[in-house]
Amino acid sequence: SQTIHQWPATLVQPVGSPLSLECTVEGTSNPNLYWYRQAAGRGLQLLFYSVGIGQISSEVPQNLSASRPQDRQFILSSKKLLLSDSGFYLCAWSKRDGDEQFFGPGTRLTVL
Amino acid sequence: GNSVTQMEGPVTLSEEAFLTINCTYTATGYPSLFWYVQYPGEGLQLLLKATKADDKGSNKGFEATYRKETTSFHLEKGSVQVSDSAVYFCALSARNTGGFKTIFGAGTRLFVKA
Repeated sequence: SQTIHQWPATLVQPVGSPLSLECTVEGTSNPNLYWYRQAAGRGLQLLFYSVGIGQISSEVPQNLSASRPQDRQFILSSKKLLLSDSGFYLCAWSKRDGDEQFFGPGTRLTVL
Repeated sequence: GNSVTQMEGPVTLSEEAFLTINCTYTATGYPSLFWYVQYPGEGLQLLLKATKADDKGSNKGFEATYRKETTSFHLEKGSVQVSDSAVYFCALSARNTGGFKTIFGAGTRLFVKA
């Protein structure tokens, strides 16, 4: 069966510090991968998605970036965090475009 | 463009009450429709889905019917439990320029009281 992992589960970082969140998927190959952010009490905002290694599409211009160095690994990064980057970050995968998405447990990021 | 609108919460019900959470959509073509559930502090989980008109998705006592004539996909459950307290998201997946795109509604928080 397929599983999706995210780490860390929680993170507290000062403004201006770098960020690296990791997501890995097991039990499937060539998945579509997604990064979402969920602000407190709000809906989901799609940040990035990827259909293959090295292929990243950005939905919202901001100080975040994403990379896919391996087929089942998706990394969300920032060189300098802002207060507004605080939120709940969710990674997800799907088999194909249009299919249901399977979400990881999320990372709660607090920027102070 | 494509969009999803769901009823604002929070919705507060007593245990064993009937639940309806409304969801309407706008999309070109024939989207697939989904309901996801998010329990506190967790990621989203697929609750049910429907891929064509008149399909009924069902799971764990929840049901939703794909109504193309009213562009709706309302979530229902006949008798809610305290454990159903969560945030529910309606979503659609439809072909857009450049491929499929999934759009989520804003979410509806459900509180069930014992």
